[in-house]
Amino acid sequence: DTGVSQNPRHKITKRGQNVTFRCDPISEHNRLYWYRQTLGQGPEFLTYFQNEAQLEKSRLLSDRFSAERPKGSFSTLEIQRTEQGDSAMYLCASSLAKGQRETQYFGPGTRLTVL
Amino acid sequence: GEDVEQSLFLSVREGDSSVINCTYTDSSSTYLYWYKQEPGAGLQLLTYIFSNMDMKQDQRLTVLLNKKDKHLSLRIADTQTGDSAIYFCAERPGSARQLTFGSGTQLTVLP
Repeated sequence: DTGVSQNPRHKITKRGQNVTFRCDPISEHNRLYWYRQTLGQGPEFLTYFQNEAQLEKSRLLSDRFSAERPKGSFSTLEIQRTEQGDSAMYLCASSLAKGQRETQYFGPGTRLTVL
Repeated sequence: GEDVEQSLFLSVREGDSSVINCTYTDSSSTYLYWYKQEPGAGLQLLTYIFSNMDMKQDQRLTVLLNKKDKHLSLRIADTQTGDSAIYFCAERPGSARQLTFGSGTQLTVLP
């Protein structure tokens, strides 16, 4: 399967711990996005990369969150000092942008539960 | 500002057509998408339409766009039990990269 993959699929952690999620985009996709989805809601944009450059961050992305895409391929999203409000599904998407045309393909998500 | 609205629930009988509606507010929205999400899974892209189009058909799926009313609909012909899922409408203004999603419509297909 050559779709977007995310690991782990589920993560349970205690409040105050740090967690890191990984996303592997579709090969040769130059853009990578992170979204957060809470129960009963649609995904909300967090941040995106074009190649290795992080070009935009949502105001939802507090300073406890950091994302990297060091070689322009896979990306990691780290949450420091987790809070119960961080419990959500974290979705990664990738796209091959050609001018204005762009379609984002999503991975299966990482479900985070903070106890 | 950007705001995408959808009705929360829709129930149909197997074999009937389903119509899921969406309204958006950003007049500069150039691209509109429909995604499907099954329980515990990520989002599967179903189809998309550019704002210079009024309609797009792809097998059992038909998308209609009314730009004047900022209304988008997804029609699923011959709805099957496997179509039961949450359907999300999303918009992306031409100048932006991120998608803005609605809250999703839970489609239930009854036998």
